[in-house]
Amino acid sequence: EVQLVQSGAEVKKPGESLRISCKGSGYTFTTYWITWVRQMPGKGLEWMGTIDPSDSYTKYSPSFQGHVTISADNSIATAYLQWSSLKASDTAIYYCATHYYDTSAYRNWGQGSLVTVSS
Amino acid sequence: EIVLTQSPGTLSLSPGERATLSCRASQSVTNNYLAWYQQKPGQAPRLLISGASGRATGIPDRFSGSGSGTDFTLTISRLEPEDFAVYYCQQYGSSPRAFGQGTKVE
Repeated sequence: EVQLVQSGAEVKKPGESLRISCKGSGYTFTTYWITWVRQMPGKGLEWMGTIDPSDSYTKYSPSFQGHVTISADNSIATAYLQWSSLKASDTAIYYCATHYYDTSAYRNWGQGSLVTVSS
Repeated sequence: EIVLTQSPGTLSLSPGERATLSCRASQSVTNNYLAWYQQKPGQAPRLLISGASGRATGIPDRFSGSGSGTDFTLTISRLEPEDFAVYYCQQYGSSPRAFGQGTKVE
């Protein structure tokens, strides 16, 4: 059974850095893409970007390009979403999802990681 | 960049009624790579439909998807109490991927 387990809730101050994680299990990690999706409080889903762990190829939404970095560590079957300088507007729940092809729907989702950025 | 517009924003119905949700794309969705997701409060989204009309594993047959090109529909034939949730469409055929803004079924 494919499972994605995300890191826990974080509370950070503006300007701080952060890396959240998404650990895959029940499948060969390098054979599935991983995508990150943002959901701001009370709002809809926003596609942030995706990574192919087999070669670390990444694609980003223009809305998030340059503000976040997506990476993966295949040795521990974990994908990451990181910020070098958080803003209050980064407060949201972040979901990871996995899919077999780049052009596949997202069948398996993590439980979400709540990030709160407040001074 | 494809923009997806869902309508209505909120659908007020009763159990047993039929729900019809619309998703319109600003340009044709490549290969009809259009998915529908259900999200309940405090939960991650759940895939219902992919490829515009293919039900995901374990999804009841009261959920059906249709459409092609720029106009897509999710139909719930008879609402069950557990179907009251927010529904999102998503195109995954071109970059950047995009979600609609959601339809709340209440």
